[in-house]
This record gives sequence, C-alpha cells and structure tokens, in this order.
Amino acid sequence: KAGVTQTPRYLIKTRGQQVTLSCSPISGHRSVSWYQQTPGQGLQFLFEYFSETQRNKGNFPGRFSGRQFSNSRSEMNVSTLELGDSALYLCASSRRGSGELFFGEGSRLTVL
Amino acid sequence: GESVGLHLPTLSVQEGDNSIINCAYSNSASDYFIWYKQESGKGPQFIIDIRSNMDKRQGQRVTVLLNKTVKHLSLQIAATQPGDSAVYFCAEMTNAGGTSYGKLTFGQGTILTVHP
Repeated sequence: KAGVTQTPRYLIKTRGQQVTLSCSPISGHRSVSWYQQTPGQGLQFLFEYFSETQRNKGNFPGRFSGRQFSNSRSEMNVSTLELGDSALYLCASSRRGSGELFFGEGSRLTVL
Repeated sequence: GESVGLHLPTLSVQEGDNSIINCAYSNSASDYFIWYKQESGKGPQFIIDIRSNMDKRQGQRVTVLLNKTVKHLSLQIAATQPGDSAVYFCAEMTNAGGTSYGKLTFGQGTILTVHP
C-alpha cells in the first residue's frame, strides 16, 4: 500500500513569489492535514481537509491556503513568500475518525 | 529579529537499556494523545496512542503512561535498539471524536540516541 506522497520534495523560491505543494493521501483516506515544521517553532498545524472542505485551521496568515479535490488529493499554496516561510511542509492523511495520522516525507521549501 | 531554534531535550542510552521519554502538556481539555517518531529526512511516524479515559497502554516494546492530574505523558521503550534513534514527539488533540481529527498540537520533541 503506497504511503502519503508529497511533491516536490525540495524547492527554492525568492521572496514575494508563491508556491504550490501537492499531497496524495493513502488510498481510502479522506482526511488530509498540513503541518509546518521549523527549527524555531517545531511542528505547527496549518489546516485539515475532509470531503473537499476545510474543517480546521491553525494560526497562520491568510497567505497560507489549501484545497482538497474529489479524489482526496490536496494542495497548499503560500503566496507572497517571506524568508520565515522556509520550512518543511508535511502532509498527513488519515481515516476520518482516526487520530492515527500517516505523514509524507515533506516538501522542503527554502525562501531566499 | 533572529529566530532561535528549539533546544530539544536529549536522551542518550546504551543498546538494550530501557528508555523513558517525558512530555508535559498544557491543555487540560485534551482527550487524545499520540507519540510519534521522526527519523532524519522523514516525516513523523505513529508509535502509539492513548485516550484520556486510560492511564496506560502497551504496544510492542513501547508503553505510554498518562497522568492527567499533573498533565504528564511518558513513552517507555523496552530494550532500546540503535534503530530507535530519532526525535520523539508527543502530540495532543482536543475534542477527539468530534471535529478535531487531523489537528494535533505537538510537543517540542526529544532526541533519543542509542549507542551500540
């Protein structure tokens, strides 16, 4: 059974640009969550999607957005990138009603 | 200003020893707790979970203890192996079973190093 797949794995952007990250959940998992991991703040919840609807949102500015498609695949977008957005962005999928999240290996974003 | 990285607690043990990793949580309303392991270059991996109506749960070589009175969680790893070397995170969830699935609040993490 394939795990959670995130693309791209690595990317470099400059300040002011925008970026879109993609996540394919485990087959059958309809809940997708996104987390930001940095050395300074650790792992922080961004948002969760289920059935194409955002169900929960963390304390991040509106520059951070996401969506989920009918096949449960999800994307997150960060607009007007800032240096502080450099981080590992992790996607996790789960069966709804389960707290067992399965994480991908992440997309490492560097903002120059 | 300059950001300061988290200073993660560290635990060094010898292969075969038992390891205990501790975690304090702050939200008394949290009702579901999970331990994750993160190896270098990988995403966190689920180890074991426990609900707030329990105080102990055992898995294969791992045991999680929950003390709600002092808001403390611990992970015990028996016969620790070099492959257990990783960063370990506790995570908590509020209103599990309601609308909060997928929304975890993670602790800062503990670096476990196992020496052969």
